Amino acid sequence: DGGITQSPKYLFRKEGQNVTLSCEQNLNHDAMYWYRQDPGQGLRLIYYSQIVNDFQKGDIAEGYSVSREKKESFPLTVTSAQKNPTAFYLCASSSPADTQYFGPGTRLTVL
Amino acid sequence: GENVEQHPSTLSVQEGDSAVIKCTYSDSASNYFPWYKQELGKRPQLIIDIRSNVGEKKDQRIAVTLNKTAKHFSLHITETQPEDSAVYFCAASELAGGGNKLTFGTGTQLKVEL
Repeated sequence: DGGITQSPKYLFRKEGQNVTLSCEQNLNHDAMYWYRQDPGQGLRLIYYSQIVNDFQKGDIAEGYSVSREKKESFPLTVTSAQKNPTAFYLCASSSPADTQYFGPGTRLTVL
Repeated sequence: GENVEQHPSTLSVQEGDSAVIKCTYSDSASNYFPWYKQELGKRPQLIIDIRSNVGEKKDQRIAVTLNKTAKHFSLHITETQPEDSAVYFCAASELAGGGNKLTFGTGTQLKVEL
């Protein structure tokens, strides 16, 4: 777990603004994932990447975008098209077909 | 796609009692079933996982059972302690081709009372 970092811890977004959440890992994991968690609910998959320069949509990709230019990094951009972005965002990473380990999360609030 | 249902949504037990949380899944191709514990405001942490080639796995006070025929799996916590109080999530995925696309249940809030 300690090898996955997310920043910032708290983020505030104004209406119509794009924001980018950072996720970095030093575990040499090939796969990385982004989840959204709403109060009292489970985690829902936004995007995932199994290898550098490749990523796939998860269950709730609309209004989000990602890139995977480096193995260690998988940033998530919350665009203005995401109408209800207030949530707790969790990044995870794993070795191929193995256990996922989570970062500490970013709490995003729309002002 | 996969659908995971989790029950109960809240569970209150006395310290020292056992707690059982149950999950069902829909996709027969799923072969990996982890359980995560999440304390308030913190990241989910893996507490135990099971793959479909075994029916039960234990780690001290925690055990998971899997019934592939019925497509359900359960978390058992014995001798509960106050520090077990948290939200527990089950998940399911098909481990294949390097991927591990987890589908999560909606969580169980466990409260261990003194």
